[in-house]
Amino acid sequence: GQQLNQSPQSMFIQEGEDVSMNCTSSSIFNTWLWYKQDPGEGPVLLIALYKAGELTSNGRLTAQFGITRKDSFLNISASIPSDVGIYFCAGQLNSGYSTLTFGKGTMLLVSP
Amino acid sequence: DAGITQSPRHKVTETGTPVTLRCHQTENHRYMYWYRQDPGHGLRLIHYSYGVKDTDKGEVSDGYSVSRSKTEDFLLTLESATSSQTSVYFCAISLRDGAYEQYFGPGTRLTVT
Repeated sequence: GQQLNQSPQSMFIQEGEDVSMNCTSSSIFNTWLWYKQDPGEGPVLLIALYKAGELTSNGRLTAQFGITRKDSFLNISASIPSDVGIYFCAGQLNSGYSTLTFGKGTMLLVSP
Repeated sequence: DAGITQSPRHKVTETGTPVTLRCHQTENHRYMYWYRQDPGHGLRLIHYSYGVKDTDKGEVSDGYSVSRSKTEDFLLTLESATSSQTSVYFCAISLRDGAYEQYFGPGTRLTVT
């Protein structure tokens, strides 16, 4: 199946720092989604992106749909301890299917 | 809150036994999905449904079957559970036709001994 390469695999940062993570693919995607998963819970949708070049914010989170349509980026500003979790990107291929392809996740740890 | 519940939330079963997991939604959403989540693999699609009695295979469908006899319930069955099916299983829905955003349930942790 199609693969999304998500990096970094994990990050350990200090509270207050900014965070960047990304997803890349060799395929063109129609839609990019970013999720956060807390331990023992299901993923929660953070941001959805629909157009190449689109930049969307949700509080301290900002995500961008890459202009090549093969990548997406998520930034978290001024991190806080509750940002701890696993962040997943997901994309819908530009081929008419309704299913999503998920990256393997970035684990974020924040030190107070 | 997309009104998704999964049952059971935890289950331990023995190799070779049949297991059925249930996903229930409180709205009449058409699309429902079953994923499994394993360390190092992320979320992988098992099966999905686009209506009553309309289902299709995902990336890792071998060893699994699904049924959807009414809109609100989507059942995942392991006909004969194997240790490789030990995983966390998530159900998801799309809130409207043509929308790619999916909303996830709380998950079922299945252990096959």
